[in-house]
Amino acid sequence: AQSVSQHNHHVILSEAASLELGCNYSYGGTVNLFWYVQYPGQHLQLLLKYFSGDPLVKGIKGFEAEFIKSKFSFNLRKPSVQWSDTAEYFCAVNARGATNKLIFGTGTLLAVQP
Amino acid sequence: EAQVTQNPRYLITVTGKKLTVTCSQNMNHEYMSWYRQDPGLGLRQIYYSMNVEVTDKGDVPEGYKVSRKEKRNFPLILESPSPNQTSLYFCASSLRAPTSGGNYNEQFFGPGTRLTVL
Repeated sequence: AQSVSQHNHHVILSEAASLELGCNYSYGGTVNLFWYVQYPGQHLQLLLKYFSGDPLVKGIKGFEAEFIKSKFSFNLRKPSVQWSDTAEYFCAVNARGATNKLIFGTGTLLAVQP
Repeated sequence: EAQVTQNPRYLITVTGKKLTVTCSQNMNHEYMSWYRQDPGLGLRQIYYSMNVEVTDKGDVPEGYKVSRKEKRNFPLILESPSPNQTSLYFCASSLRAPTSGGNYNEQFFGPGTRLTVL
């Protein structure tokens, strides 16, 4: 069965610090990968996605993620965080062909201090 | 405005008292889904529906029922709620299943329903 691990449950950073959130998945086949963000009191929104091609994908608001197939990882990065990035971040995996199912990680709560 | 609405947004109830959480979308989406979000467990899929009258179990369907009589509505029914169903519930919809056709069909999430079962 597929699973997604996000090892950082809570992250606290100061503004302008760099961010890297880990995401590892367990599935031997081809996957589609996603990062979603949930701002306080709001619904989930897509940050970025990887289906194929360049393993370094860029999303909205300056976020990027790198797919490293050999490590089964899809880590999220941002060079300089802002207070407005305070949110919960979810990694999600979809097994290619299992069109109906996104498997979400447990989430990482990011707090950015001004 | 294209949106997914859920009602109620907050609900406190008691064990065993049947309840329904409604979900409605105005985008003519075929695919709809329910998730529950719990601390440390992330989002887990309860049920999903590929189209009208087509529903299927997700990862945590026990204690829940759904129906899809109309395209726009996908209510979540708790026949006999228990305290372990205290959670934050999200409905989502997309034109088709999330990765149907090899493309991402954008998931639109509702605002969430916070349910407490005493």
